[in-house]
Amino acid sequence: AQRVTQPEKLLSVFKGAPVELKCNYSYSGSPELFWYVQYSRQRLQLLLRHISRESIKGFTADLNKGETSFHLKKPFAQEEDSAMYYCALKTGFQKLVFGTGTRLLVSP
Amino acid sequence: DTAVSQTPKYLVTQMGNDKSIKCEQNLGHDTMYWYKQDSKKFLKIMFSYNNKELIINETVPNRFSPKSPDKAHLNLHINSLELGDSAVYFCASSQDVSGLYNEQFFGPGTRLTVL
Repeated sequence: AQRVTQPEKLLSVFKGAPVELKCNYSYSGSPELFWYVQYSRQRLQLLLRHISRESIKGFTADLNKGETSFHLKKPFAQEEDSAMYYCALKTGFQKLVFGTGTRLLVSP
Repeated sequence: DTAVSQTPKYLVTQMGNDKSIKCEQNLGHDTMYWYKQDSKKFLKIMFSYNNKELIINETVPNRFSPKSPDKAHLNLHINSLELGDSAVYFCASSQDVSGLYNEQFFGPGTRLTVL
């Protein structure tokens, strides 16, 4: 079964603290994973994808096939990082299976 | 210069009514999608069209019928609306179905409230 699990509904940290948003997946094929972000009153947008191995806005995510994880990390959180974060798995024909999302709240 | 637009932004209607939500993209993309986001923020794909052809049809009641008059438009028609249909509906588009670097671009969402 294709499934994406984000165990934390809410993650609350102080500005400057490290952040790790967890994502685990279940997929029999070769996974393609993404992180999407939805800032308040804005549309959902792509943050990063594992295939690019990029760092966007200080965020990175490494695909760990052994642990079937794709956790999103940032060493020093900023207030403007507060948003809803969705991990997504591509399962052929551009079908994206989303996790339930984690709300990140960064307090001053 | 909005990439993916949806109308209306808000839709409040009575149970049993029929309503449509429209989506348009000006990105020249071949593939369009409809997603439903429920009250718990869970986002799930409903349909996907590629070049006006249906390619993904998840387990969605027959009351939901997508229509793609051309590549740039994918409308969602809902018959006999029920309370459980209340949600935010997102339209999205991507360049094609197979590219490794394809990104899905999302519309702003339509908040549907069924009373």
